[in-house]
Amino acid sequence: SAVISQKPSRDICQRGTSLTIQCQVDSQVTMMFWYRQQPGQSLTLIATANQGSEATYESGFVIDKFPISRPNLTFSTLTVSNMSPEDSSIYLCSVRGRGGDTQYFGPGTRLTVL
Amino acid sequence: GQNIDQPTEMTATEGAIVQINCTYQTSGFNGLFWYQQHAGEAPTFLSYNVLDGLEEKGRFSSFLSRSKGYSYLLLKELQMKDSASYLCAVVNDYKLSFGAGTTVTVRA
Repeated sequence: SAVISQKPSRDICQRGTSLTIQCQVDSQVTMMFWYRQQPGQSLTLIATANQGSEATYESGFVIDKFPISRPNLTFSTLTVSNMSPEDSSIYLCSVRGRGGDTQYFGPGTRLTVL
Repeated sequence: GQNIDQPTEMTATEGAIVQINCTYQTSGFNGLFWYQQHAGEAPTFLSYNVLDGLEEKGRFSSFLSRSKGYSYLLLKELQMKDSASYLCAVVNDYKLSFGAGTTVTVRA
C-alpha cells in the first residue's frame, strides 16, 4: 500500500487569499488525484494531476481556481485560489496502486474560509 | 452521466450482519471500490470488484453483478468500531465516482 502525507492538515484562511496543499507519496505512482469532500457530503473529483503536463480538470473545476503542480511521480500540490467560504471543505490527495485494483487516500486537509 | 445509489443510513446490532447495497448506472465501467470512512478521517480501502461474484476478506465481503449494475458490501460479526460511513465508488475509465455513502450505526 502507498503511504500518503498531506500538509497542512488543517488551516483557517481569510476570504480572498490562497492556500497551497502539498501531497507526498512514499513511492512512485502514475495516477494521482485531488478530491474535495464538502461537509456532510461524499467525495468529488477535482482533477487528475499529470506528471509533466497540465492537470485534467473535471466539470465545474477550472485551473485558475485550482492550479495543480506535479513535478515528479511522488509529489503534487493543489492551490485553492481567491478563497470564499464556499471553498470550506476537506481536500484529499489520492493515488492509484500499480495494478489499478487499489486506490488510497491521504489524510486530507481541512480548510475553513472565513 | 453517473448515477450511484446507496441507502443513507442503516442500523444493526453488535454481532449481527449488515448488507449495504449499491446500484449504479454509468456511461462506462472498469471496476467498483468500497471504502470505509470514520468521522473526521480519510476513506480507507476495503475492496475492489471488477468481475462478477463474491470477494471475501475476513469479516467483509463484496459482491458484484455487472449485468444488473449492482454491488453489495457485507459486514459480518459487527463490532462497535464498524460504525462508520461506507462509500461505493465506480471506476469509469480511470476515474472514481462516489455514491453519497451509507452511515452504519452499530448498537450494543
